[in-house]
Amino acid sequence: DSGVTQTPKHLITATGQRVTLRCSPRSGDLSVYWYQQSLDQGLQFLIQYYNGEERAKGNILERFSAQQFPDLHSELNLSSLELGDSALYFCASSVATGALNTEAFFGQGTRLTVV
Amino acid sequence: AQSVTQLDSQVPVFEEAPVELRCNYSSSVSVYLFWYVQYPNQGLQLLLKYLSGSTLVKGINGFEAEFNKSQTSFHLRKPSVHISDTAEYFCAVSDLNTGGFKTIFGAGTRLFVKA
Repeated sequence: DSGVTQTPKHLITATGQRVTLRCSPRSGDLSVYWYQQSLDQGLQFLIQYYNGEERAKGNILERFSAQQFPDLHSELNLSSLELGDSALYFCASSVATGALNTEAFFGQGTRLTVV
Repeated sequence: AQSVTQLDSQVPVFEEAPVELRCNYSSSVSVYLFWYVQYPNQGLQLLLKYLSGSTLVKGINGFEAEFNKSQTSFHLRKPSVHISDTAEYFCAVSDLNTGGFKTIFGAGTRLFVKA
């Protein structure tokens, strides 16, 4: 058990809909990262938050957004869903003290299926 | 931008044979390097990391990796694999020139250990 909790584990929704994925980081970790894993794209970095602030952005679509709350949990919002958004979405957390990050601890992921 | 190349998408190997999974990254002055393992239906788990110091890094489950700055490589090795090592392995790089906020993953190498 990595200590990172993601809910829900599975999500099936229709095209055009909006979903919210939730992540609770390990106790004491200030950084939260979101990744998308799909068969054709591999593991893609989406976005990182550190102590409530956005710190780095990767290949995140404009239809997607995220935030980190004062209690450090994070939510990834996916809207106007398309079939191609079907993927495994991972959240990871790390201590990330200062400006450097070290290893990240991953949750078990949320499998999103868009039908 | 930093990139990570895992040269083999799949590596089949017999049990008790040695294995090397190759990883190259684009040149950078300072990087942190990681190998993660993903077992079926699970999140990623850190195998080992290179932050500084000795270029030979030992990790869990008998794996080790060698950092080669001149060749910008960080190959993962195990002298004798077990069936239980069957999994997907990801090489990852944090570029300290970007403040280390992004961790970029390679496409993954699927290790398949045969009896």
